[in-house]
Amino acid sequence: KQEVTQIPAALSVPEGENLVLNCSFTDSAIYNLQWFRQDPGKGLTSLLLIQSSQREQTSGRLNASLDKSSGRSTLYIAASQPGDSATYLCAVSGGANNLFFGTGTRLTVIP
Amino acid sequence: GAVVSQHPSRVICKSGTSVKIECRSLDFQATTMFWYRQFPKQSLMLMATSNEGSKATYEQGVEKDKFLINHASLTLSTLTVTSAHPEDSSFYICSARHPQGNYEQYFGPGTRLTVT
Repeated sequence: KQEVTQIPAALSVPEGENLVLNCSFTDSAIYNLQWFRQDPGKGLTSLLLIQSSQREQTSGRLNASLDKSSGRSTLYIAASQPGDSATYLCAVSGGANNLFFGTGTRLTVIP
Repeated sequence: GAVVSQHPSRVICKSGTSVKIECRSLDFQATTMFWYRQFPKQSLMLMATSNEGSKATYEQGVEKDKFLINHASLTLSTLTVTSAHPEDSSFYICSARHPQGNYEQYFGPGTRLTVT
């Protein structure tokens, strides 16, 4: 069964810093990988989706990379802002099935 | 586009009663929807896959008689928690798989269930 791990579990950075969140998965036979943001008590907001054939995707200050063979993905956030404070989840899909979610990284950006 | 709603957003019920949660895809038809459960400070755990017009597929350890799922139309799936118990208190999130493109799932805003 696919297992997804995210490191670190929690991260605090001062405003303006660039940061990297890590995600690893045990089965490289994935269809795609998604990064989500979750605010406390709220649902999920999709940030980026990377197909298995792609190596990275960018949206604004966010850049996600995928190394399928090594089972890793990173989410890079540039020039962090207090509004970026949230829990970030990565999830991998084996196809038209459910997503396997990581444990999440709780990010706090200090003004 | 690709909006999924859930209703209610919060519900409090007494032990032994049943609670129904609705998940709707507002601007696309979804033959497949998913129900997840999330405990505080933990990740999402898939409970079941809801298929329009057929029985739901439950994950191991999820009681199908306790968590009834009905996917009666291409835009609506419901989760009914029967004989609710305080241990059922949790955050329930649904998602709907878009029928085109990348099998991307769109998530609802979640329902906070508290059983007293």
